[in-house]
Amino acid sequence: EDKVVQSPLSLVVHEGDTVTLNCSYEVTNFRSLLWYKQEKKAPTFLFMLTSSGIEKKSGRLSSILDKKELFSILNITATQTGDSAIYLCAVERGNKLVFGAGTILRVKS
Amino acid sequence: NAGVTQTPKFQVLKTGQSMTLQCAQDMNHNSMYWYRQDPGMGLRLIYYSASEGTTDKGEVPNGYNVSRLNKREFSLRLESAAPSQTSVYFCASRPVLNEKLFFGSGTQLSVL
Repeated sequence: EDKVVQSPLSLVVHEGDTVTLNCSYEVTNFRSLLWYKQEKKAPTFLFMLTSSGIEKKSGRLSSILDKKELFSILNITATQTGDSAIYLCAVERGNKLVFGAGTILRVKS
Repeated sequence: NAGVTQTPKFQVLKTGQSMTLQCAQDMNHNSMYWYRQDPGMGLRLIYYSASEGTTDKGEVPNGYNVSRLNKREFSLRLESAAPSQTSVYFCASRPVLNEKLFFGSGTQLSVL
């Protein structure tokens, strides 16, 4: 059975902290791994990772994939209150995306 | 640029009632999806349509039916709503495999 496990389930940090969110997976026919940010409504796309060891970066956010160990991390540096959200990891299997339960991040000012 | 449009945004049903959630995309995408989101459980796939004319079951299809009316529209029907179907429903689409999903703004459904 396909599994995508995110950790931690939730965390609270202070503005300026750096956080690392984890996503491990057991999925047959892996194609890619995606990260989404969800605030009040629809998830918004952050990154798509297909190759091991190549870091994707966008401002203070970065992500990397390890296909040998079957996991990915999402780093957020110098966190801001606007980073408070649910962060979702999804793995592409065939024509379907399998999502993890998400990590709820709260950034306190 | 509308993207993925879902209607209604909110709905309250009584147990046993039926309803259809509508979804339309204007991006000429081939694949469309219906997910439900419950607290602590992430997004779970209900049904998807890889291309116009095809539909397939996802992880949690029981109690639902879908119709891919044309390339733009993909509807989700609850024939006899149950309290366990209280959830937030998201429609999504993408152009082809291995591309990111674009999400609608969601439908908050409560079944009493």
